[in-house]
Amino acid sequence: RKEVEQDPGPFNVPEGATVAFNCTYSNSASQSFFWYRQDCRKEPKLLMSVYSSGNEDGRFTAQLNRASQYISLLIRDSKLSDSATYLCVVNPGNTGKLIFGQGTTLQVKP
Amino acid sequence: DADVTQTPRNRITKTGKRIMLECSQTKGHDRMYWYRQDPGLGLRLIYYSFDVKDINKGEISDGYSVSRQAQAKFSLSLESAIPNQTALYFCATSESDRGLYNEQFFGPGTRLTVL
Repeated sequence: RKEVEQDPGPFNVPEGATVAFNCTYSNSASQSFFWYRQDCRKEPKLLMSVYSSGNEDGRFTAQLNRASQYISLLIRDSKLSDSATYLCVVNPGNTGKLIFGQGTTLQVKP
Repeated sequence: DADVTQTPRNRITKTGKRIMLECSQTKGHDRMYWYRQDPGLGLRLIYYSFDVKDINKGEISDGYSVSRQAQAKFSLSLESAIPNQTALYFCATSESDRGLYNEQFFGPGTRLTVL
């Protein structure tokens, strides 16, 4: 079983739609969680950290469910510019290392 | 100017050749990382270094070596390249003391093809 699992998609949605991605992780001792965004052929960049209480940044909402060991990312009012691959990332402990999921691809259509 | 730079950006080489990928950063971070990315597999950690004298193997270090020449420079070498090392390689940096929510900053990547 992969340490961090995501549905690779692609998710094809129209502009204005709401879309949600889930991610599961296997290590119950994992300490912190993130969503990174990666545009085609570009480097990953931090989108959001995921806090225990859940957090929101504009149209983006991240939630953590430790009991079920999953993380979610909700995007409201999708824009064409949201088209990218979203990487679920887990810090398994306070080691400075991160474990990356394979990514979920989102295509927002006009 | 980019904070994390990688050279070369693209490289085509032949099986058996030695190749070095270089990474430089101006962020003043102590920690540096090398990853490779393959379709369907995500990013996998090759080596990481928490300071100039501290180098550690990641999950897929076989066939690779690294050198941390200075705080700002971290090089990845393929001593004898093979075709399954064809991938997109990323260097990343992070600060030392940011606790659990330590962001990693990535370079633009090097696309390596081994024929």
